[in-house]
Amino acid sequence: EAGVVQSPRYKIIEKKQPVAFWCNPISGHNTLYWYLQNLGQGPELLIRYENEEAVDDSQLPKDRFSAERLKGVDSTLKIQPAELGDSAVYLCASSSPGNEQFFGPGTRLTVL
Amino acid sequence: AQSVTQLDSQVPVFEEAPVELRCNYSSSVSVYLFWYVQYPNQGLQLLLKYLSGSTLVESINGFEAEFNKSQTSFHLRKPSVHISDTAEYFCAVRNSGYALNFGKGTSLLVTP
Repeated sequence: EAGVVQSPRYKIIEKKQPVAFWCNPISGHNTLYWYLQNLGQGPELLIRYENEEAVDDSQLPKDRFSAERLKGVDSTLKIQPAELGDSAVYLCASSSPGNEQFFGPGTRLTVL
Repeated sequence: AQSVTQLDSQVPVFEEAPVELRCNYSSSVSVYLFWYVQYPNQGLQLLLKYLSGSTLVESINGFEAEFNKSQTSFHLRKPSVHISDTAEYFCAVRNSGYALNFGKGTSLLVTP
């Protein structure tokens, strides 16, 4: 069974540029999460989807971050414009309802 | 909100020695606890979990953790570590919305 797929694995951009990350969850997993992991820290939830509905986006900085999960499968997380402090690893995870989360390899973003 | 505290940021240990990585959680009526491992440039992998039942949970690679309600702890142990166990270890608690609240991580460094 394929795991959670994320792309790109690495991204380097100039500040003020837009950037997008893509996640393909494990087949059949209705719940999808985006986490932010700063260097030397544990992951922090940005947004959680149940199918195509964002049910918890309280930690998403909505002035520059947006996310979507069309058709309840793949998801895209966007930052526009990026700031230096956005340099981090962005992790996607998925689960079936109430079960353990499986994580993708993450996208490492560097903002110059 | 439920939270966990990992008491050690780094734990150096010699190969074949025992190790304990400490994790304390905030008290709650019911709590679901997890240990994840993260190897360099990889996503998080579930090591073991406590949902209910036996307070001692084991992983397939020799790690175990004990849920201790009186001490609000969920420490991770291994009787004999290998070089390949070198990684970052994260303790996490599931919140009411099923997302995970992670600790800051403990870096385990195993040397010959």
